[in-house]
Amino acid sequence: DIQLTQSPSFLSASVGDRVTITCRASQGINSYLAWYQQKPEKAPKLLIYAASTLQSGVPSRFSGSGSGTEFTLTISSLQPEDFATYHCQQVNSYPHTFGGGTKVEIK
Amino acid sequence: EVHLVESGGGLVQPGGSLRLSCAASGFTLTDHYMDWVRQAPGKGLEWVGRTTNKAASYTTEYAASVKGRFTISRDDSQNSLYLQMNSLKTEDTAVYYCARSAQHVLDYWGQGTLVTVSS
Repeated sequence: DIQLTQSPSFLSASVGDRVTITCRASQGINSYLAWYQQKPEKAPKLLIYAASTLQSGVPSRFSGSGSGTEFTLTISSLQPEDFATYHCQQVNSYPHTFGGGTKVEIK
Repeated sequence: EVHLVESGGGLVQPGGSLRLSCAASGFTLTDHYMDWVRQAPGKGLEWVGRTTNKAASYTTEYAASVKGRFTISRDDSQNSLYLQMNSLKTEDTAVYYCARSAQHVLDYWGQGTLVTVSS
């Protein structure tokens, strides 16, 4: 199975900060990576797919990059509604594993 | 508008069974692969499994942790997805989400249903 390692697992940031989250795959997954945002007691929401394609309706301050084994999610200017947990998922091969999550909290 | 609503969660004893349902609306279920994902209390997301669509012959894939115990099925005529869970273990305690797959990623999710396995 492909393992996804997210870092950091927790980060504290302020409104307006640029935030970067990394997701590393244990083997190459081309660009078959998605990012989701999850707020407490809510279902995850798709932000980015195919590593860098923004899902419809997602603000342009979110961006994704990478291919192969290393991927990043960047929030260019953190907004109050962005404080949440972010998950990466590989869809290159079964099982479609998730990373451990990164919780973004207010500094 | 796409809507997914899970039901059927609850408290069950170890070794017991439970069947979750997911009612879909706002799209043609036949066209889509559908996944189940779970989240144990305070933990990350875990992919449980998938059923493909009619064009892909309704094949299924499962995570190793549930293979042989869980079965995903669907009734497109009823716009419904199911997760039959047998031989439940305490570690199966989680919120279970159904989700629609588009280009293999999960673009719509239900609100989740809580399954608690405890004696």
